[in-house]
Amino acid sequence: EVQVVQSGAEVKKPGDSLRISCKASGYIFTNYWITWVRQMPGKGLEWMGRIDPSDSYTHYSPSFQGHVTISADKSITTAYLQWRSLKASDTAIYYCARILHLINGPMVHNWFDPWGQGTLVTVSS
Amino acid sequence: QSVLTQPPSVSGAPGQRVTISCTGSSSNIGAGYDVHWYQQVPGTAPKLLVYGNTNRPSGVPDRFSGSKSGTSASLAITGLQAEDEADYYCQSDDSSLTDSVFGTGTKLTVL
Repeated sequence: EVQVVQSGAEVKKPGDSLRISCKASGYIFTNYWITWVRQMPGKGLEWMGRIDPSDSYTHYSPSFQGHVTISADKSITTAYLQWRSLKASDTAIYYCARILHLINGPMVHNWFDPWGQGTLVTVSS
Repeated sequence: QSVLTQPPSVSGAPGQRVTISCTGSSSNIGAGYDVHWYQQVPGTAPKLLVYGNTNRPSGVPDRFSGSKSGTSASLAITGLQAEDEADYYCQSDDSSLTDSVFGTGTKLTVL
């Protein structure tokens, strides 16, 4: 069974660092990119960025560039989302998902399946 | 910031048909990028419902169908059931902003 399983909920203080994980199984990890998506309380989905686990190439949404770091360890088929200094506004559920894609000429169409169960990150003093 | 616009809410009685629209622009849906749909039942992770505008993953009932035209796409749900009550999001790619973008989300209420 193809699945991605995320690490558990975290409670942190402003200024803390944090790394959450996304463990993939049931498929060849390096054949598919992984994406991270944020959902703030009561709000919609926001695309944060993605990583190619085969070479760790990353691409970030401008909204998240410089504030988070996406990485991967292909030896343990795990992707990570990391913060150096958390803010209260980082309080949200974070989802990882495998990216499936279709290349059609110059266009690459990406969609996400499966999704992890989500990791709730609470940042409060 | 969402660049794909959806109605905040739709509703319908059991057995009825509802549609959810997703309006984009010339840099995403209008540029030819496919549209994909996700269902998020409250308290759970999103689940892929439709990919590549019209395709359903294995296990998704044929009550769910997608379409795309110009700079917009739609998700239709026929034979509404109580279990369909959830939030629905469209997603596409965008050539001028980030790789991927989500719609604003639509809450479906089954009356």
